[in-house]
Amino acid sequence: AQSVTQLDSQVPVFEEAPVELRCNYSSSVSVYLFWYVQYPNQGLQLLLKYLSGSTLVKGINGFEAEFNKSQTSFHLRKPSVHISDTAEYFCAVSEDAGKSTFGDGTTLTVKP
Amino acid sequence: DAGVTQSPTHLIKTRGQQVTLRCSPKSGHDTVSWYQQALGQGPQFIFQYYEEEERQRGNFPDRFSGHQFPNYSSELNVNALLLGDSALYLCASSGSGTGRSPLHFGNGTRLTVT
Repeated sequence: AQSVTQLDSQVPVFEEAPVELRCNYSSSVSVYLFWYVQYPNQGLQLLLKYLSGSTLVKGINGFEAEFNKSQTSFHLRKPSVHISDTAEYFCAVSEDAGKSTFGDGTTLTVKP
Repeated sequence: DAGVTQSPTHLIKTRGQQVTLRCSPKSGHDTVSWYQQALGQGPQFIFQYYEEEERQRGNFPDRFSGHQFPNYSSELNVNALLLGDSALYLCASSGSGTGRSPLHFGNGTRLTVT
Protein backbone atom coordinates (compact mmCIF):
# COMPACT_ATOMS: atom_id res chain seq x y z
CA ALA A 1 0.00 0.00 0.00
CA GLN A 2 1.14 3.51 -0.71
CA SER A 3 0.73 6.57 1.49
CA VAL A 4 1.65 10.25 1.47
CA THR A 5 2.37 12.52 4.43
CA GLN A 6 2.51 16.24 4.00
CA LEU A 7 4.38 17.43 7.05
CA ASP A 8 2.94 20.94 7.28
CA SER A 9 -0.79 21.62 7.14
CA GLN A 10 -0.29 25.38 6.89
CA VAL A 11 2.67 27.46 5.74
CA PRO A 12 2.47 31.25 6.07
CA VAL A 13 5.18 33.21 4.28
CA PHE A 14 5.83 36.79 3.22
CA GLU A 15 5.85 37.79 -0.43
CA GLU A 16 9.23 37.32 -2.18
CA ALA A 17 10.46 34.93 0.52
CA PRO A 18 11.50 31.35 -0.32
CA VAL A 19 9.23 28.47 0.60
CA GLU A 20 9.49 24.71 0.98
CA LEU A 21 6.48 22.39 1.27
CA ARG A 22 7.45 18.98 2.59
CA CYS A 23 6.18 15.62 1.38
CA ASN A 24 7.15 12.09 2.44
CA TYR A 25 5.78 8.96 0.84
CA SER A 26 5.82 5.23 1.35
CA SER A 27 5.42 2.52 -1.24
CA SER A 28 6.58 -1.02 -1.76
CA VAL A 29 7.33 -0.51 -5.45
CA SER A 30 8.74 2.14 -7.73
CA VAL A 31 6.54 5.18 -7.82
CA TYR A 32 5.73 8.27 -9.78
CA LEU A 33 5.43 11.52 -7.84
CA PHE A 34 3.36 14.61 -8.47
CA TRP A 35 2.55 18.00 -6.98
CA TYR A 36 -0.83 19.54 -7.71
CA VAL A 37 -2.21 22.98 -6.79
CA GLN A 38 -5.83 23.74 -5.98
CA TYR A 39 -7.19 27.28 -6.06
CA PRO A 40 -10.46 28.03 -4.23
CA ASN A 41 -13.51 26.36 -5.76
CA GLN A 42 -11.45 24.74 -8.50
CA GLY A 43 -10.11 21.32 -9.33
CA LEU A 44 -6.48 20.37 -9.00
CA GLN A 45 -3.88 21.43 -11.57
CA LEU A 46 -0.56 19.71 -12.17
CA LEU A 47 2.49 21.68 -10.98
CA LEU A 48 5.18 19.13 -11.75
CA LYS A 49 5.93 15.42 -11.91
CA TYR A 50 8.76 12.98 -11.35
CA LEU A 51 8.67 9.86 -13.50
CA SER A 52 12.36 8.90 -13.76
CA GLY A 53 15.77 10.36 -14.50
CA SER A 54 17.00 13.62 -12.99
CA THR A 55 15.91 13.94 -9.38
CA LEU A 56 15.39 17.70 -9.66
CA VAL A 57 12.26 18.51 -11.62
CA LYS A 58 10.99 21.91 -12.64
CA GLY A 59 7.35 22.82 -13.00
CA ILE A 60 5.12 25.72 -13.79
CA ASN A 61 5.11 29.08 -12.02
CA GLY A 62 8.75 28.76 -10.92
CA PHE A 63 8.23 25.74 -8.67
CA GLU A 64 10.68 22.84 -8.47
CA ALA A 65 10.91 19.63 -6.46
CA GLU A 66 13.62 17.15 -5.59
CA PHE A 67 13.09 13.41 -5.44
CA ASN A 68 15.10 11.78 -2.65
CA LYS A 69 14.75 8.02 -2.82
CA SER A 70 16.72 7.26 0.35
CA GLN A 71 14.60 9.63 2.42
CA THR A 72 11.42 8.85 0.46
CA SER A 73 10.75 12.54 0.10
CA PHE A 74 9.60 14.87 -2.67
CA HIS A 75 9.74 18.40 -1.26
CA LEU A 76 8.42 21.35 -3.27
CA ARG A 77 10.34 24.62 -3.37
CA LYS A 78 10.09 28.10 -4.80
CA PRO A 79 12.84 30.72 -4.32
CA SER A 80 10.50 33.72 -4.26
CA VAL A 81 6.72 33.50 -3.79
CA HIS A 82 4.00 35.84 -4.98
CA ILE A 83 0.59 36.66 -3.55
CA SER A 84 -0.91 34.65 -6.41
CA ASP A 85 0.78 31.48 -5.11
CA THR A 86 -1.68 31.40 -2.20
CA ALA A 87 -3.47 28.06 -2.63
CA GLU A 88 -3.71 24.48 -1.40
CA TYR A 89 -0.88 22.20 -2.52
CA PHE A 90 -1.17 18.42 -2.74
CA CYS A 91 1.56 15.84 -3.07
CA ALA A 92 0.55 12.58 -4.77
CA VAL A 93 2.12 9.20 -5.48
CA SER A 94 1.04 6.64 -8.03
CA GLU A 95 2.15 3.19 -9.13
CA ASP A 96 2.01 1.48 -12.50
CA ALA A 97 -1.56 0.34 -11.90
CA GLY A 98 -2.71 3.93 -12.11
CA LYS A 99 -4.30 4.72 -8.75
CA SER A 100 -3.04 7.97 -7.22
CA THR A 101 -2.81 8.53 -3.46
CA PHE A 102 -2.87 12.10 -2.19
CA GLY A 103 -1.66 13.77 0.97
CA ASP A 104 -4.00 15.94 3.01
CA GLY A 105 -2.60 19.12 1.54
CA THR A 106 -0.62 22.16 2.66
CA THR A 107 -2.24 25.57 2.69
CA LEU A 108 0.27 28.13 1.48
CA THR A 109 -0.63 31.69 2.48
CA VAL A 110 1.52 34.44 1.03
CA LYS A 111 1.29 37.70 2.95
CA PRO A 112 2.23 41.14 1.60
CA ASP B 1 -9.52 22.27 -26.29
CA ALA B 2 -12.08 21.53 -23.60
CA GLY B 3 -10.75 20.24 -20.34
CA VAL B 4 -12.58 17.98 -17.93
CA THR B 5 -16.16 19.11 -17.38
CA GLN B 6 -18.40 18.03 -14.53
CA SER B 7 -22.08 18.54 -13.86
CA PRO B 8 -23.80 19.71 -11.85
CA THR B 9 -21.54 22.10 -9.95
CA HIS B 10 -23.62 21.97 -6.77
CA LEU B 11 -26.21 19.54 -5.49
CA ILE B 12 -28.26 19.29 -2.31
CA LYS B 13 -29.84 15.95 -1.45
CA THR B 14 -31.62 14.43 1.51
CA ARG B 15 -30.30 11.47 3.46
CA GLY B 16 -31.41 8.20 1.83
CA GLN B 17 -31.76 9.62 -1.65
CA GLN B 18 -29.71 8.68 -4.70
CA VAL B 19 -27.51 10.96 -6.80
CA THR B 20 -25.81 10.81 -10.21
CA LEU B 21 -22.81 12.96 -11.08
CA ARG B 22 -21.49 13.33 -14.62
CA CYS B 23 -18.07 13.86 -16.17
CA SER B 24 -16.71 14.45 -19.65
CA PRO B 25 -12.98 13.79 -19.95
CA LYS B 26 -10.41 15.99 -21.62
CA SER B 27 -10.30 15.50 -25.38
CA GLY B 28 -8.04 12.57 -26.25
CA HIS B 29 -8.27 10.95 -22.81
CA ASP B 30 -9.76 7.49 -22.38
CA THR B 31 -9.40 6.89 -18.64
CA VAL B 32 -11.61 8.45 -15.97
CA SER B 33 -11.07 8.35 -12.21
CA TRP B 34 -13.36 9.62 -9.46
CA TYR B 35 -12.22 11.08 -6.15
CA GLN B 36 -14.00 12.24 -3.02
CA GLN B 37 -12.53 15.26 -1.25
CA ALA B 38 -13.89 15.97 2.21
CA LEU B 39 -13.31 19.38 3.77
CA GLY B 40 -9.70 19.83 4.85
CA GLN B 41 -8.55 16.55 3.32
CA GLY B 42 -6.89 15.35 0.18
CA PRO B 43 -8.78 13.57 -2.59
CA GLN B 44 -9.63 9.92 -1.83
CA PHE B 45 -9.69 7.48 -4.74
CA ILE B 46 -13.12 5.96 -5.43
CA PHE B 47 -12.58 4.05 -8.70
CA GLN B 48 -11.13 4.20 -12.19
CA TYR B 49 -12.77 3.36 -15.52
CA TYR B 50 -11.07 2.32 -18.73
CA GLU B 51 -12.71 0.81 -21.82
CA GLU B 52 -16.08 0.95 -20.05
CA GLU B 53 -14.87 -1.30 -17.24
CA GLU B 54 -14.08 -0.56 -13.62
CA ARG B 55 -10.39 -1.28 -13.44
CA GLN B 56 -9.50 -0.29 -9.88
CA ARG B 57 -11.50 0.53 -6.78
CA GLY B 58 -10.68 2.27 -3.52
CA ASN B 59 -12.12 1.62 -0.07
CA PHE B 60 -15.65 2.76 -0.76
CA PRO B 61 -18.84 0.76 -0.15
CA ASP B 62 -20.97 -0.72 -2.91
CA ARG B 63 -23.33 2.25 -2.59
CA PHE B 64 -20.82 3.97 -4.84
CA SER B 65 -21.02 2.75 -8.41
CA GLY B 66 -20.09 4.09 -11.79
CA HIS B 67 -20.27 3.72 -15.49
CA GLN B 68 -18.22 4.72 -18.50
CA PHE B 69 -19.80 5.25 -21.90
CA PRO B 70 -18.33 4.53 -25.36
CA ASN B 71 -17.45 8.23 -25.74
CA TYR B 72 -15.37 7.91 -22.52
CA SER B 73 -17.69 10.10 -20.44
CA SER B 74 -18.56 8.74 -17.03
CA GLU B 75 -21.13 8.80 -14.26
CA LEU B 76 -20.79 8.34 -10.53
CA ASN B 77 -23.85 7.05 -8.70
CA VAL B 78 -24.29 7.08 -4.95
CA ASN B 79 -27.25 5.27 -3.38
CA ALA B 80 -28.75 5.60 0.09
CA LEU B 81 -26.95 8.86 0.79
CA LEU B 82 -25.49 9.44 4.24
CA LEU B 83 -24.59 12.75 5.86
CA GLY B 84 -20.95 11.69 5.60
CA ASP B 85 -21.18 11.60 1.82
CA SER B 86 -21.18 15.39 1.79
CA ALA B 87 -17.99 16.33 -0.06
CA LEU B 88 -16.49 17.68 -3.26
CA TYR B 89 -16.49 14.95 -5.91
CA LEU B 90 -13.73 15.29 -8.43
CA CYS B 91 -13.46 13.63 -11.80
CA ALA B 92 -10.02 13.24 -13.35
CA SER B 93 -9.06 11.99 -16.78
CA SER B 94 -5.75 10.77 -18.13
CA GLY B 95 -4.33 9.62 -21.42
CA SER B 96 -3.67 6.16 -20.17
CA GLY B 97 -4.52 4.15 -17.14
CA THR B 98 -0.96 3.94 -15.92
CA GLY B 99 0.43 5.88 -13.02
CA ARG B 100 2.84 7.75 -15.30
CA SER B 101 0.07 9.90 -16.72
CA PRO B 102 -0.77 12.98 -14.69
CA LEU B 103 -4.40 13.52 -13.86
CA HIS B 104 -6.45 16.35 -15.35
CA PHE B 105 -9.20 17.38 -12.95
CA GLY B 106 -12.58 19.00 -13.39
CA ASN B 107 -13.77 21.68 -10.99
CA GLY B 108 -15.83 19.15 -9.08
CA THR B 109 -19.39 18.72 -7.90
CA ARG B 110 -20.14 19.94 -4.39
CA LEU B 111 -22.62 17.49 -2.84
CA THR B 112 -24.41 18.45 0.36
CA VAL B 113 -26.51 15.80 2.12
CA THR B 114 -29.00 17.09 4.69
